This record gives sequence, C-alpha cells and structure tokens, in this order.
Amino acid sequence: DTGVSQDPRHKITKRGQNVTFRCDPISEHNRLYWYRQTLGQGPEFLTYFQNEAQLEKSRLLSDRFSAERPKGSFSTLEIQRTEQGDSAMYLCASSLASLAGGSGTTEQYFGPGTRLTVT
Amino acid sequence: AQKVTQAQTEISVVEKEDVTLDCVYETRDTTYYLFWYKQPPSGELVFLIRRNSFDEQNEISGRYSWNFQKSTSSFNFTITASQVVDSAVYFCALNYGQNFVFGPGTRLSVLP
Repeated sequence: DTGVSQDPRHKITKRGQNVTFRCDPISEHNRLYWYRQTLGQGPEFLTYFQNEAQLEKSRLLSDRFSAERPKGSFSTLEIQRTEQGDSAMYLCASSLASLAGGSGTTEQYFGPGTRLTVT
Repeated sequence: AQKVTQAQTEISVVEKEDVTLDCVYETRDTTYYLFWYKQPPSGELVFLIRRNSFDEQNEISGRYSWNFQKSTSSFNFTITASQVVDSAVYFCALNYGQNFVFGPGTRLSVLP
C-alpha cells in the first residue's frame, strides 16, 4: 500500500491564476478529506467526500474553491483566481468508514500535502 | 462552539525526560472522538490515537500514554523517556458528526 499521495508537492503561481491539485487516496478507502494548513496552525477542514458524493463543505470554502471526486477514487481541488491569502499547505486525507458511521469512527491517513505559494 | 485548545505553543526537553502535552476541548455533543496526530519535520501527519467520548479508560502504547478526563474536558498526552525522534508538532483534534477541529499544535523539541 503506497498511502495517500498528492500532486504536485509544491506550486508557485501568480495572483489571479487558477490552480488544481490532485489527491490519490489509499485504494480501498471510501472517504476523502481536504484540509488547509497555514504556518503555525493546525489543519482546517475544507470538505469531504463519501465515495463520489461531497457531503460536507466548510464555510472556509469560498466560491473560488471547488472539489470533485468523479469516480469515487482520486479527487481534485481547484482554486480559481488565486489570492495571496490562499498561500498554504493543502492536505488530503482518506479513511475507510461504514456508510452510517461518523467521521470519527476511523482514523484518517494524511498525504504529504501540496504547498501553494501565491505571489 | 466546538474548539480545541493546546495552551503550550512550544516545549523543549532534554532527552530521557518525560513530557506532557495538554489538550482541552469544548463541545456540546455527547458523542465525539478525540485524536492525537504527530507532524514531524517531513510534514506528513501521523495518526497516534483515537478515543471516543464513552471510553475514559487511559491508554498506554510503549512510551506514549493518554489521559482522558471528561470532567475537565481534557485529553493529555505523555511521552515517557523522550527521544530526539519525538521532536515534532503534535496536534490534538476533535471530531463531532462529520466535522473535524484541530488544535493549534504544540511544537516539541527534544534535545540530545
């Protein structure tokens, strides 16, 4: 098992550009989460998927952010018209949980993250 | 409001000392889960422990132990005989329903 992978690991972009990040979860995991982490802070929840359905979105996720998990496997997170405040580490995590279980019923495995710098 | 507080921003200890990392949480839910994660310098978060709100039994795993006290809403983490490899940022997290809230983390430096 290769664990959760994220691509790219680093992204530098100019303000106003669009960026897209990819996350490949652990293969049998049905849940996938996106978090944002800024320097010196803990991860902040953005959104999560159960298979291909996006079930929860944080208020942090503005209209410029969109996430997809089209076939219930990998996921993409797109940020449109990037702003300097979007500079952060974007973390992906996956877990295997029963359909009826809450998110706390199993641990999440995190990927290495994508560090975004908006200049 | 749901919240996790880790009052210790940074801790430095000398190798072989014991160290306790504090975590205090707030939630109105009666069913919730608490977690500890380790984030070493490499950056990848590593799961350490999950505890549900109905299980106040303390747990020991090697040099690690956790003390969960609902009466004080605390879930503290102790490392016994610390080692340089324990140097990392440690996060306490609260899950309620489908939501996760992480604390700000405690940076632990273990000096040789």
